[in-house]
Amino acid sequence: DSGVTQTPKHLITATGQRVTLRCSPRSGDLSVYWYQQSLDQGLQFLIQYYNGEERAKGNILERFSAQQFPDLHSELNLSSLELGDSALYFCASSVGTGGRAKNIQYFGAGTRLSVL
Amino acid sequence: AQTVTQSQPEMSVQEAETVTLSCTYDTSESDYYLFWYKQPPSRQMILVIRQEAYKQQNATENRFSVNFQKAAKSFSLKISDSQLGDAAMYFCAYSPSGLSLDNYGQNFVFGPGTRLSVLP
Repeated sequence: DSGVTQTPKHLITATGQRVTLRCSPRSGDLSVYWYQQSLDQGLQFLIQYYNGEERAKGNILERFSAQQFPDLHSELNLSSLELGDSALYFCASSVGTGGRAKNIQYFGAGTRLSVL
Repeated sequence: AQTVTQSQPEMSVQEAETVTLSCTYDTSESDYYLFWYKQPPSRQMILVIRQEAYKQQNATENRFSVNFQKAAKSFSLKISDSQLGDAAMYFCAYSPSGLSLDNYGQNFVFGPGTRLSVLP
């Protein structure tokens, strides 16, 4: 168990809908990362938050947004869903502080999104 | 920008044999971390091993070891005494050190992955 919790594990929805994926980082971790992994593909970095602030943005569509709350949990919002958005969405967390931190990313089990 | 390359999309190894997965990266930083993550069929991402660039000694975790060549920007993973449970997708990843985390920018870069099959 990595200590990173993602809910829900599975999500089935229709095109045009909006969904919210939730991530609770490991206790003490300040950074949260979101990744998208389509079938048999690598990890596509979407966005990173550090202590409530956006830290880096990758290949995230304008239909997608995220935020990190004061209790450090994060949500990824996907709207106007398309068939191509079907994928496994991972959240990862790390300590992410200055200094010689271990900087290891710990991954949640992922949320499998199916858009029908 | 940092990049991570894994030139072997697929590899196979006989059970109990040794296999080496390749990874090269590009960075202008002098202090950073390198990782190997394993993704079995369950799709869970599992940390296999971590190397700190300022350490010359190669990291080892049981049957897993790395060959870190900083000048060549190479970071290969060796799996000894391969087991059926080692069959998975393996991702090489780069991260700047904690000293650079105050800078805005993507902190983790993953390679495209190598699919390892273990033959009985």
